[in-house]
Amino acid sequence: EAGVAQSPRYKIIEKRQSVAFWCNPISGHATLYWYQQILGQGPKLLIQFQNNGVVDDSQLPKDRFSAERLKGVDSTLKIQPAKLEDSAVYLCASSLGSSTNEKLFFGSGTQLSVL
Amino acid sequence: DQQVKQNSPSLSVQEGRISILNCDYTNSMFDYFLWYKKYPAEGPTFLISISSIKDKNEDGRFTVFLNKSAKHLSLHIVPSQPGDSAVYFCAASDGNAGNMLTFGGGTRLMVKP
Repeated sequence: EAGVAQSPRYKIIEKRQSVAFWCNPISGHATLYWYQQILGQGPKLLIQFQNNGVVDDSQLPKDRFSAERLKGVDSTLKIQPAKLEDSAVYLCASSLGSSTNEKLFFGSGTQLSVL
Repeated sequence: DQQVKQNSPSLSVQEGRISILNCDYTNSMFDYFLWYKKYPAEGPTFLISISSIKDKNEDGRFTVFLNKSAKHLSLHIVPSQPGDSAVYFCAASDGNAGNMLTFGGGTRLMVKP
């Protein structure tokens, strides 16, 4: 079974530039998550989708971050404009459903460096 | 405000010995707890979980203990193997909030041959 696919693997940009990350979840997984992991910290949830609807985006900095999941499959996360503090690994995860004991499967992440 | 804390950033143990990783939480609404393991350049992978109705769950070499009164859980790995060297994240969720996980900061485990 194919896992969660993310691209690009690495991205280096200058501050105030824009960047986009792409995620393809495991086939059949209705729930998709974007997490931000800053070096030395645990992953922090940015946004959760159930199919193509947003379940929670309370920790998404909406002045600069946006995410969409058109057709309830692939998802993109965009940052515009980027700040130095956005340097982190952006992890996408998916699960079959959104109930509490659903196992999350993570992709390898996109490592973003903002200079 | 960190709701899930792993106070030991790193732990080193000898191969064959027991590894004990600790995690504390503050939110009494958390009712499901998980441990994830992360190798460099890979995403976290699920290791073991425990519901708040239990105080112990075992899976092979891995056992998770939950002490609800102390808001503390621990992961025991015995015997430890060099392949267990990774960063371990504790995570928790509130059943009323769906499957949104709150992660601790992680503990880097090094198992020496």
